[in-house]
Amino acid sequence: QVQLQESGPGLVKPSQTLSLTCTVSGDSISDGRHFWSWIRQPAGKGLEWIGRVYTTGTTNYNPSLKSPVTISVDTSKNQFTLKLASVTAADTAIYYCARTSGSYFTHWGQGTLVTVSS
Amino acid sequence: QSALTQPASVSGSPGQSITISCTGTSSDVDNYRFVSWYQQHPDKAPRLIIYEVTKRPLGVPDRFSVSNSGNTAYLTISGLQPEDEADYFCSSYTGGIHNWVFGGGTRLTVL
Repeated sequence: QVQLQESGPGLVKPSQTLSLTCTVSGDSISDGRHFWSWIRQPAGKGLEWIGRVYTTGTTNYNPSLKSPVTISVDTSKNQFTLKLASVTAADTAIYYCARTSGSYFTHWGQGTLVTVSS
Repeated sequence: QSALTQPASVSGSPGQSITISCTGTSSDVDNYRFVSWYQQHPDKAPRLIIYEVTKRPLGVPDRFSVSNSGNTAYLTISGLQPEDEADYFCSSYTGGIHNWVFGGGTRLTVL
């Protein structure tokens, strides 16, 4: 059974870097059969795809994002990580990680709320 | 404001059918093959229910079906059951630039 679990600070100060980790169980990132994505949802708004990473470290990012973003993978830990730099209040959202297959997301994490506030 | 437009809410009684629309543009929903649908119960992870036009993952009943017309995709749930009460959202993938857009989500209430 594939499961994804997000972890990281729930509170980040403005202008700092938001950092979240997604731990995958029931599947191996290094198998190379899927991409691995980050998606977020600000309160009262729709979902926004942030970006995805492949086992090789290849990434694609949403061209509309305003904050600098980096997604990386650690196959030894079966984890992938999101870093969003210079955050503002607009980055306050529930952040999800998801296994990505072609055009769709097969499995999602439960989501973690990150608040940007001083 | 979401890139894809969905009604905020729909409702139906047990046993009835409801339809949720997902309207985009010619650059996204018009390519039906890349539209997917998700179900989310409160405080739960989203669950894939429809992908690649009409495919359903194992465990998703055939009460869930999709149709399309122009720039709009429609999710129909027939034979409504109490456990269908949840949020539903659509997504469309733009392959050329590797990007996804989502609908704002529709809250289904089973009366």
